[in-house]
Amino acid sequence: QVQLQESGPGLVKPSQTLSLTCTVSGGSISSGGYYWSWIRQHPGKGLEWIGYIYYSGSTYYNPSLKSRVTISVDTSKNQFSLKLSSVTAADTAVYYCASSDSSGSQAFDIWGQGTMVTVSS
Amino acid sequence: DIQMTQSPSSLSASVGDRVTITCRASQSISSYLNWYQQKPGKAPKLLIYAASSLQSGVPSRFSGSGSGTDFTLTISSLQPEDFATYYCQQSYSTPFFGPGTKVDIK
Repeated sequence: QVQLQESGPGLVKPSQTLSLTCTVSGGSISSGGYYWSWIRQHPGKGLEWIGYIYYSGSTYYNPSLKSRVTISVDTSKNQFSLKLSSVTAADTAVYYCASSDSSGSQAFDIWGQGTMVTVSS
Repeated sequence: DIQMTQSPSSLSASVGDRVTITCRASQSISSYLNWYQQKPGKAPKLLIYAASSLQSGVPSRFSGSGSGTDFTLTISSLQPEDFATYYCQQSYSTPFFGPGTKVDIK
């Protein structure tokens, strides 16, 4: 049973870079077949997909965030990471990592528990 | 981008009621439509994928239908644990979620 767990600072200063890591357990990123995504949810609001990475390192980002987002993968640690630069208060949200089947419906079938990130000085 | 809308934005229902939530895409997405349930403070949970396929472990009272631009999530007999917010999501192109439908107790 694959499980995902987000980690990283809960407080980031404006203009700095938000960095989060998702650790995958119970399965291997290297085995392929899945996209590894970051999704966020502003307080009391809906869900926004940020981007995904494949085990090979290929990425696809939400065009609305593309200029500030970098997603990377470390297969040796079975982790993937998010960096969001030049953050503002509008980036305050719960950040989730999630996986989706790359060849089928691409629905997000496994989610981490989420981590709250607040942008404030 | 393909935008998603949901209706209603909220509804009140009683245990045992049949509940229907509608999701509409701004252009055809074939059957690339997924439904999620989210409870407060929890991550979303996949209920239905590919418009009508029930995710493993999800009760059969949940069902999905539709294709193209119009989709429906139906809960045949609402249970106490079903009070939550429901989101549709298209996976045809850049993933995009609907705004959600909150189901609360009447």
